[in-house]
Amino acid sequence: KQEVTQIPAALSVPEGENLVLNCSFTDSAIYNLQWFRQDPGKGLTSLLLIQSSQREQTSGRLNASLDKSSGRSTLYIAASQPGDSATYLCAVSTGNQFYFGTGTSLTVIP
Amino acid sequence: DTAVSQTPKYLVTQMGNDKSIKCEQNLGHDTMYWYKQDSKKFLKIMFSYNNKELIINETVPNRFSPKSPDKAHLNLHINSLELGDSAVYFCASRLRGQETQYFGPGTRLLVL
Repeated sequence: KQEVTQIPAALSVPEGENLVLNCSFTDSAIYNLQWFRQDPGKGLTSLLLIQSSQREQTSGRLNASLDKSSGRSTLYIAASQPGDSATYLCAVSTGNQFYFGTGTSLTVIP
Repeated sequence: DTAVSQTPKYLVTQMGNDKSIKCEQNLGHDTMYWYKQDSKKFLKIMFSYNNKELIINETVPNRFSPKSPDKAHLNLHINSLELGDSAVYFCASRLRGQETQYFGPGTRLLVL
């Protein structure tokens, strides 16, 4: 059974810092991996999607990498801003099933 | 121009009641999902549904049933609500062949 873990559970950084969020999964037979952002009291917004054949995806200040063989993904956020404060979730897809991690709660301090 | 909408946003109800949560998407997607997010923020898929196939997570009690009146709607009906059903329920949709899911804002259910 697929299990998705995110470390750290919470992270607090000063504005301007670069930071890395980690996601690990136990079964490397995945179809793709997505990173989401969840703001308090709101739904999820998809940030980046990496297909199983890809190694990374970039969008603006965000870069996500995927190492399928080791069951790991990282989300790199450059030059963090207070507006980046949110919970970040990774999810792996095995086709019709999606498995989410418990998230990393990020606070960027002005 | 909301892509995926859910109603109600908040639902407070007594144990034992039957309730429904509605989901609508205007993206022309053909696959829709229901997720439950528990108090630890863990999201678990409950159902995935398109016109031809309903896939049920085997851990979901049969008190939960999805109902799709048409391609743009997937409602979640819950019978005999229990305290443990309190959670945030998210609806999502995608287009077959594309992987990105679009999520609704969530429905916060509190069972007293």
